[in-house]
Amino acid sequence: KNEVEQSPQNLTAQEGEFITINCSYSVGISALHWLQQHPGGGIVSLFMLSSGKKKHGRLIATINIQEKHSSLHITASHPRDSAVYICAVKGDEKLTFGTGTRLTIIP
Amino acid sequence: GAGVSQSPRYKVAKRGQDVALRCDPISGHVSLFWYQQALGQGPEFLTYFQNEAQLDKSGLPSDRFFAERPEGSVSTLKIQRTQQEDSAVYLCAIRDRRNEAFFGQGTRLTVV
Repeated sequence: KNEVEQSPQNLTAQEGEFITINCSYSVGISALHWLQQHPGGGIVSLFMLSSGKKKHGRLIATINIQEKHSSLHITASHPRDSAVYICAVKGDEKLTFGTGTRLTIIP
Repeated sequence: GAGVSQSPRYKVAKRGQDVALRCDPISGHVSLFWYQQALGQGPEFLTYFQNEAQLDKSGLPSDRFFAERPEGSVSTLKIQRTQQEDSAVYLCAIRDRRNEAFFGQGTRLTVV
């Protein structure tokens, strides 16, 4: 069993829909990152959180430390949100990654 | 990404060839990480430097993989006698003092 599990693996939605991507982890962590990866490989950090909730524009990330679970929400989704979203947890120094959720937003 | 430059962006190597991948971070970042991302998978940890010291190399898959950061800035990941299973995107990342992570664009290595 992977230390970081994401669901769903693939998600296709219509433009405007509310999107939720889930991440569960089985190890102790000091922080959790949500990352966005576009074709071509570049990774951008969206959020780093260790408790509660963060919001940036149409993106919202929440974490429940007791349940070892985090969610990434996208409101009013847009085709430009199409990308792979990766959850990564930080234990001591390194990051341990989920396998990613491929999101496709159809116009 | 901003702050981390990797080169080359793409590398095609014949099986058995040695390759060197470069990571050039913005100066002042102490922590530098190398990750390997196979097609369709999440990145996996290879090795970690704090300044010039390689503090963790537990993720290096074999002794054909070697990383260095001699002056605590630019880092090079070297793969000797490349094999087809080495084909992947190699990502370099730095961490700032707020623990935010910044990734390079990666080097896509294809071994033929």
